[in-house]
Amino acid sequence: NAGVTQTPKFQVLKTGQSMTLQCAQDMNHEYMSWYRQDPGMGLRLIHYSVGAGITDQGEVPNGYNVSRSTTEDFPLRLLSAAPSQTSVYFCASSYRGAHGYTFGSGTRLTVV
Amino acid sequence: GENVEQHPSTLSVQEGDSAVIKCTYSDSASNYFPWYKQELGKGPQLIIDIRSNVGEKKDQRIAVTLNKTAKHFSLHITETQPEDSAVYFCAALRDTGGGNKLTFGTGTQLKVEL
Repeated sequence: NAGVTQTPKFQVLKTGQSMTLQCAQDMNHEYMSWYRQDPGMGLRLIHYSVGAGITDQGEVPNGYNVSRSTTEDFPLRLLSAAPSQTSVYFCASSYRGAHGYTFGSGTRLTVV
Repeated sequence: GENVEQHPSTLSVQEGDSAVIKCTYSDSASNYFPWYKQELGKGPQLIIDIRSNVGEKKDQRIAVTLNKTAKHFSLHITETQPEDSAVYFCAALRDTGGGNKLTFGTGTQLKVEL
């Protein structure tokens, strides 16, 4: 049982490049979310999903796309990276309902 | 939407003392309040949580209290140890039955000094 696995751990992009942050969980959780963490701002919700085929926007969705084709995977896509997207990104998953989320170890992204 | 405020932003205590972190939330429909501990270079880890139908919950040296009327909740750590040093986040969640969103406070950097 690996929990929530995020790859890569570190990434440097040039402005305008695209990339996909991978997230996978093996706990059969229905809910999955992506957060970004910036100094002094806590964790802010980017996109979330309540099940395969269902996604919705969070607090800061601009510049990011997601899809949920399987229960296990929830990739986050940056279509055209900008320096403002420099951050640490966390993926998290949870059972349906009011339950605690399990977080991955994060991806540190730098856009130059 | 939900707004969670957390205080203080930094907290320094002597080993063995108690530490208290306070949060307030804005959405009266929020019904689940977890606390997370984040160590350097790691993801947040759930340490304790409380649901809206409970006023207090304890787990060894950690306790959480909830005042629904005032819309605030607090984390209490007793007999602090150096390994308690980390960033702590409170959060509030509203379970709508068709999805939920977890809103975080801005974090408290706790330092336990020897």
